[in-house]
Amino acid sequence: QKEVEQNSGPLSVPEGAIASLNCTYSDRGSQSFFWYRQYSGKSPELIMSIYSNGDKEDGRFTAQLNKASQYVSLLIRDSQPSDSATYLCAVMLRGKLTFGQGTILTVHP
Amino acid sequence: GAVVSQHPSWVICKSGTSVKIECRSLDFQATTMFWYRQFPKQSLMLMATSNEGSKATYEQGVEKDKFLINHASLTLSTLTVTSAHPEDSSFYICSASYVNTEAFFGQGTRLTVV
Repeated sequence: QKEVEQNSGPLSVPEGAIASLNCTYSDRGSQSFFWYRQYSGKSPELIMSIYSNGDKEDGRFTAQLNKASQYVSLLIRDSQPSDSATYLCAVMLRGKLTFGQGTILTVHP
Repeated sequence: GAVVSQHPSWVICKSGTSVKIECRSLDFQATTMFWYRQFPKQSLMLMATSNEGSKATYEQGVEKDKFLINHASLTLSTLTVTSAHPEDSSFYICSASYVNTEAFFGQGTRLTVV
């Protein structure tokens, strides 16, 4: 079982819609959870971090964490074409930051 | 977010030579630095985790004698690819974190070995 798994995608949504990205992790001891966005040829940039159960909102982005079910999700409201990128879920466990395989999101006008 | 600077952004080297990549945290103290490698259309593969002042912890399958990592201070880590070969050509990215909080990434180094 992979340590961090994301829904495979690719995901395509129309402009203005809500994009939903999901991630599960295998180790219940995982402490911190992150969503990164990566444009082609660039390094990842941090979008959201979440450490406790529940929702965390930042502008158009909402991260949700459910430790009992071992999943973390990212919602992007009012999706824009500029949101088209690969979204990476990352989990910190015992000082090691591990990434999922990424989900490619395309927002079409 | 915090700033992590990685240099060089790209490098071309001859097969058999060594290449050093630097990663600096500019506005915070990085207790931990991570080194990743990314091949085209693939996700980031963690190569090693380094904590300031101690030896790096390498992931399974990563040759520690080939990929030398040094984390001599709270703001600088280096990755040296020794005796590089064409199969080492990849996108190498560092990230820096303070006590298991958010990790911020450098710009990445695109290495081409000819």
